[in-house]
Amino acid sequence: GAGVSQTPSNKVTEKGKYVELRCDPISGHTALYWYRQSLGQGPEFLIYFQGTGAADDSGLPNDRFFAVRPEGSVSTLKIQRTERGDSAVYLCASSNLGRLEEQFFGPGTRLTVL
Amino acid sequence: DQQVKQNSPSLSVQEGRISILNCDYTNSMFDYFLWYKKYPAEGPTFLISISSIKDKNEDGRFTVFLNKSAKHLSLHIVPSQPGDSAVYFCAASAWGAGGTSYGKLTFGQGTILTVHP
Repeated sequence: GAGVSQTPSNKVTEKGKYVELRCDPISGHTALYWYRQSLGQGPEFLIYFQGTGAADDSGLPNDRFFAVRPEGSVSTLKIQRTERGDSAVYLCASSNLGRLEEQFFGPGTRLTVL
Repeated sequence: DQQVKQNSPSLSVQEGRISILNCDYTNSMFDYFLWYKKYPAEGPTFLISISSIKDKNEDGRFTVFLNKSAKHLSLHIVPSQPGDSAVYFCAASAWGAGGTSYGKLTFGQGTILTVHP
């Protein structure tokens, strides 16, 4: 299909390890967002890309979190020295110029840190 | 600080009746509001939106009402169908510096809607 895809769908890691989560947005969408959803909560904004650049990274919780989008399409969210509190579903969304709020979400990556 | 709140964790409705989902917000800078629907193991799907210059927007069975003075919005689904059973999230965005909307969404906690046949 032509929707937003995310890999892996599930990731289990040990405390202290490094993980990478990948997002493939809808072709042609220049805006890309990462959100994190903890159990019983709504998605929480992490970072927004417009093209290759991070236009707003105010939601990243600390410097262990980093995201890139080198060619303006696929994005990777990187988490260093994972902690148990990082366990959540990480959602990626993309959008067209026009009405950026009307975003298309991927199915998410469920990260579990043991 | 929860800027968008959905105080009802769940709602149960009979098929064919009206479902009313509520949402409150505290940030006066929010100027665009949306409802997203989420099925298990899927990402949220955009449902309907409303700009702060309006007080109502309708799309088929779905209507969103905005009361800016009360900082309250609601989603009405009429008639409700079993396929509407899902988690519904209210979301809001604000204009950023320089008059640009980045599309950064602030979500509520969600309301689980169950429509019984």
